[in-house]
Amino acid sequence: EPEVTQTPSHQVTQMGQEVILRCVPISNHLYFYWYRQILGQKVEFLVSFYNNEISEKSEIFDDQFSVERPDGSNFTLKIRSTKLEDSAMYFCASRELAGLTEQFFGPGTRLTVL
Amino acid sequence: AQTVTQSQPEMSVQEAETVTLSCTYDTSESDYYLFWYKQPPSRQMILVIRQEAYKQQNATENRFSVDFQKAAKSFSLKISDSQLGDAAMYFCAYRSATDKLIFGTGTRLQVFP
Repeated sequence: EPEVTQTPSHQVTQMGQEVILRCVPISNHLYFYWYRQILGQKVEFLVSFYNNEISEKSEIFDDQFSVERPDGSNFTLKIRSTKLEDSAMYFCASRELAGLTEQFFGPGTRLTVL
Repeated sequence: AQTVTQSQPEMSVQEAETVTLSCTYDTSESDYYLFWYKQPPSRQMILVIRQEAYKQQNATENRFSVDFQKAAKSFSLKISDSQLGDAAMYFCAYRSATDKLIFGTGTRLQVFP
């Protein structure tokens, strides 16, 4: 069964460093998303992406964040200068079409900022 | 803005028994979708069940069913014949017209043998 994959599973970085989180959505999916979950809290929407551009972004998704689909298969989330409060689980999700199709989630990347 | 509320931080159930997890939401949209996701200790998000708001019939997936009350903006998850593998965090989610998922704070379900 096709699935969303994410790498790395765990990333440790120093405050102020740039990180890139990678996702490979399911191959025929057209809509892509990033969510984050701070430990013990709820899952929060960051950004949605369709047709090579951002469809919607949340207040969390400030200028430190960017997304890209560099090669037609990967979908990346870049954090330019990480802060301690960026430590969280980051989930990538993808969806096939408009209408009632579910968002399939990847296993997540745990980001730890020291 | 839409909000999702799960008022039960923790629930417990005996194996083989039935448990109901509550969820309420607030929206001014008339057409939307609702989901329950399961998050086991691995933290993977797994879809349990979904409901289209325009459908009056409650969704059912094997041992999982929902009680969808549109007027009351309530979307409860019922788990029948609970199994040890059902132990997890359960999140109720609302899919807005702009397509993003809005999650509740979750309910941690414990299953006792």
